[in-house]
Amino acid sequence: DTGVSQNPRHKITKRGQNVTFRCDPISEHNRLYWYRQTLGQGPEFLTYFQNEAQLEKSRLLSDRFSAERPKGSFSTLEIQRTEQGDSAMYLCASRPEGAGGNEQFFGPGTRLTVL
Amino acid sequence: QKEVEQDPGPLSVPEGAIVSLNCTYSNSAFQYFMWYRQYSRKGPELLMYTYSSGNKEDGRFTAQVDKSSKYISLFIRDSQPSDSATYLCAMRTTTSGTYKYIFGTGTRLKVLA
Repeated sequence: DTGVSQNPRHKITKRGQNVTFRCDPISEHNRLYWYRQTLGQGPEFLTYFQNEAQLEKSRLLSDRFSAERPKGSFSTLEIQRTEQGDSAMYLCASRPEGAGGNEQFFGPGTRLTVL
Repeated sequence: QKEVEQDPGPLSVPEGAIVSLNCTYSNSAFQYFMWYRQYSRKGPELLMYTYSSGNKEDGRFTAQVDKSSKYISLFIRDSQPSDSATYLCAMRTTTSGTYKYIFGTGTRLKVLA
């Protein structure tokens, strides 16, 4: 399977714990996005990487959230001191560079439940 | 006011009907317009992509962009029960230094057999 993969698919944690999610984009895609989606809402942009450089972060993103993309391949999203309001689906998407590169390919998401 | 507005539905139609889904937006800098389909507990998948104004057709799907009215539409002809899903519009500007896509809330569609 050469699509975007995300791990874990589900995560249940207690309030105050730290969690880390991983995204493996399509191999030739140098652009990577993280989104958060809650029930009944569309995906909300969190952050964007071009290769290993984090070029854009949402102004709404709390400093408890941090993302990395070492070597421009896989990416991780960490949430520190989780809160119940962090419960959501976290989606990763990748897209290629180039004139036609507006098609984002989404992974299946990681569903986070904070108790 | 949200940058992108979309009626959440749900919208129920009989099989074979023509479905019209719409989004309005406030940012005149949006240049890229996309429609995604999302099945329950899955990631969104791209259906249609349009740059600037105009129409685009792909099989049973037609996307329209009216930049003067800040309004985009997706039409589904001969709708099938398998089209039952949430349809999300998304938009992006070409403004230098910004790369994010703004999504609507999604419209839930149910096609009844």
